[in-house]
Amino acid sequence: AQTVTQSQPEMSVQEAETVTLSCTYDTSESDYYLFWYKQPPSRQMILVIRQEAYKQQNATENRFSVNFQKAAKSFSLKISDSQLGDAAMYFCAYRNNAGNMLTFGGGTRLMVKP
Amino acid sequence: GAGVSQSPSNKVTEKGKDVELRCDPISGHTALYWYRQSLGQGLEFLIYFQGNSAPDKSGLPSDRFSAERTGGSVSTLTIQRTQQEDSAVYLCASSLITGAHEQFFGPGTRLTVL
Repeated sequence: AQTVTQSQPEMSVQEAETVTLSCTYDTSESDYYLFWYKQPPSRQMILVIRQEAYKQQNATENRFSVNFQKAAKSFSLKISDSQLGDAAMYFCAYRNNAGNMLTFGGGTRLMVKP
Repeated sequence: GAGVSQSPSNKVTEKGKDVELRCDPISGHTALYWYRQSLGQGLEFLIYFQGNSAPDKSGLPSDRFSAERTGGSVSTLTIQRTQQEDSAVYLCASSLITGAHEQFFGPGTRLTVL
């Protein structure tokens, strides 16, 4: 079974600074997908960024980028120029190529200080 | 277009009562998922529907939990004889098909069992 671990229950960043959220996972698969979801207090999960395991290039979406280390099974999220609206719970998630459900990490609560 | 909607937004019930939670997926999405987010825990997969195929029920925690999807659209998650440990946020998601396609989440139903 796949597992996803987020070792940082809480993180804090100053507005306009950069923060990195950690995620590691365990799988025996070679093809899979990794995701970062944001969950604000409204509860609605929003996809932030996605990485296909077969792609060596790290995914980037505006201020959000990932550091995907396949051999180390690590998938960290970097948020640049942090904004107050970035404050939320962030979940790392895994899905294998044949599977359908997402396996989530325990989440990291990000606080942004003005 | 409308996103995934869920009703009710909040539900308070007494231990032992049955509850029904509803999910309206995005129109045209053939895949539908239910997840549970318990306090202090991450999100866990419950059940998955894809088209007319038999649902994947592997995540249902007990036989008190069941779900159906009528006409390939609306889904209802039913919890019979609710227990206090069933208190959680129940999230529904839908996607075009499976594989790499993004899962879009609804706002969830917060269930409180007294």
